[in-house]
Amino acid sequence: KAGVTQTPRYLIKTRGQQVTLSCSPISGHRSVSWYQQTPGQGLQFLFEYFSETQRNKGNFPGRFSGRQFSNSRSEMNVSTLELGDSALYLCASTTLGGQNEKLFFGSGTQLSVL
Amino acid sequence: EDKVVQSPLSLVVHEGDTVTLNCSYEVTNFRSLLWYKQEKKAPTFLFMLTSSGIEKKSGRLSSILDKKELFSILNITATQTGDSAVYLCAAPKETSGSRLTFGEGTQLTVNP
Repeated sequence: KAGVTQTPRYLIKTRGQQVTLSCSPISGHRSVSWYQQTPGQGLQFLFEYFSETQRNKGNFPGRFSGRQFSNSRSEMNVSTLELGDSALYLCASTTLGGQNEKLFFGSGTQLSVL
Repeated sequence: EDKVVQSPLSLVVHEGDTVTLNCSYEVTNFRSLLWYKQEKKAPTFLFMLTSSGIEKKSGRLSSILDKKELFSILNITATQTGDSAVYLCAAPKETSGSRLTFGEGTQLTVNP
């Protein structure tokens, strides 16, 4: 069974640009979550999608958005990039996103904003 | 607001040593606590400790949960250089199993 796949692995953008990251969950998993990891703030929850609907949202500005497709694949978008958006963006999937389910993480997209 | 705190933040040991990593938590309506190992990019799952199970073991790794004192420890015996990684502790919010609050992580370095 293939794991969680994220593309691209690395991305370099300049301030003001926008970026789209992609995540393919493990087959059969319907819940996809996104996390931002920085040295200063650690791992922080961005949002969760389930059945093409955003089910939970973290404390990030509206520049961060996402969506989920009918095949459970998910994308996240960051508009008007700022230097502080430089981070490792991790995607995680689980069957239903319920309690006592373990999250499986992808290898992440390393975003650098110059 | 949920809070997860790990200590120490970094640890350097020699191969063969035993290490204990700590995680304390303050979580509304606690359901479970998870441990992950992050070597390069992808955190990989180690253990889940729930209100109904207080100890887990896998090879040289073991973890216990103290629900009364609100903490968990991760033990690694006979450490190897391959154990070098960041170890993360996390707890889900009561309203969402996918919304994890993570601790800062413990950077473990095992020297030969």
